[in-house]
Amino acid sequence: QKEVEQDPGPLSVPEGAIVSLNCTYSNSAFQYFMWYRQYSRKGPELLMYTYSSGNKEDGRFTAQVDKSSKYISLFIRDSQPSDSATYLCAMTLGSARQLTFGSGTQLTVLP
Amino acid sequence: DAGVTQSPTHLIKTRGQHVTLRCSPISGHKSVSWYQQVLGQGPQFIFQYYEKEERGRGNFPDRFSARQFPNYSSELNVNALLLGDSALYLCASSLGSTGTYNSPLHFGNGTRLTVT
Repeated sequence: QKEVEQDPGPLSVPEGAIVSLNCTYSNSAFQYFMWYRQYSRKGPELLMYTYSSGNKEDGRFTAQVDKSSKYISLFIRDSQPSDSATYLCAMTLGSARQLTFGSGTQLTVLP
Repeated sequence: DAGVTQSPTHLIKTRGQHVTLRCSPISGHKSVSWYQQVLGQGPQFIFQYYEKEERGRGNFPDRFSARQFPNYSSELNVNALLLGDSALYLCASSLGSTGTYNSPLHFGNGTRLTVT
């Protein structure tokens, strides 16, 4: 069993839709949670960074962490064609220096 | 400001050969990490260097090695290449030694290695 599970998709939605992306994890020691966006042939770009359980909002993006369920989510409101990319969840232990990534969800927003 | 730069962007090698990948971090960043991303998978941690010292190593064989230079740039070396080493190799830099809120990882666009 992988430490971080992420539905690979692909996920296709119409422009303006609300998108929900999710990851589950098995290691309860994970403390920091991130979402990265990766366009084709590019490196991952940090979108959201959260520490505690609860919600964090940044523009059209909301990151949600539920440590009791070991479940994290990223919501994208008013999705745009430019949001079409692969979304990677990542997490790290408090003291560890490496990130553990999910396998990524490929999202396509249709105009 | 220049981001993390990696060279070369693409590389084709034959099984058994050796390869060296290079990375220049964002100016002022002292930590460099290397990740391997196989097609369709998330990045997997290989190494982290901070102030020229190895601070972390992932579950990769000894064929993989790295070093960091006084100017904080870094090299990743892979010996005796296998077909399974074909992947996108990503370099990431950060200010501090941990991937914390105040010191997030910034990734380059990677080197795509194909082993034939």
